[in-house]
Amino acid sequence: DVKVTQSSRYLVKRTGEKVFLECVQDMDHENMFWYRQDPGLGLRLIYFSYDVKMKEKGDIPEGYSVSREKKERFSLILESASTNQTSMYLCASSFGPWGSGYTFGSGTRLTVV
Amino acid sequence: QQQVKQSPQSLIVQKGGISIINCAYENTAFDYFPWYQQFPGKGPALLIAIRPDVSEKKEGRFTISFNKSAKQFSLHIMDSQPGDSATYFCAANIQGAQKLVFGQGTRLTINP
Repeated sequence: DVKVTQSSRYLVKRTGEKVFLECVQDMDHENMFWYRQDPGLGLRLIYFSYDVKMKEKGDIPEGYSVSREKKERFSLILESASTNQTSMYLCASSFGPWGSGYTFGSGTRLTVV
Repeated sequence: QQQVKQSPQSLIVQKGGISIINCAYENTAFDYFPWYQQFPGKGPALLIAIRPDVSEKKEGRFTISFNKSAKQFSLHIMDSQPGDSATYFCAANIQGAQKLVFGQGTRLTINP
């Protein structure tokens, strides 16, 4: 089974802190994604990466950055956390030409106070 | 327009009934339409998927109906069970982009 592991299940951070969310996948997938999940808004794409050291902005990249130094690891960075970034963050990886085979991690619930 | 609109936002169905969740899209460049199921405390997991050259796909009690001309697709859960209680997301893949656009989600509750 493909596994996508997110380093923290719950995080509480203070406004203005720099926050790192880590994601690791173990199936050699080229594609990795960060989404945030909010009630009534579904899953919204923050950033994605098709290869090492490559990144592309999703639909809501403002306030976020990412890093992919190794194929299996994709990090989401909140440069200066704000309360409106309180959310569930989901990492996913995939293979294939049609976005098929998305595997999600269990999510990190981030609260910014 | 890269949006997928999903309805209803929440749904309550009696055990044994049929659950129906609908999605609509505008972008004709979508080429793959999966449904994901998410239980509390877990990430979404792929449930069933369809490509636009097929009008229906069935896997066990789960069926996707796809209407290309109307740009709509729906998930039907037959003989709904309490274990089906979860949040369901429809999604669509942007052709050539290898990334999914998700609907808003439906919280399904099956009453015993």
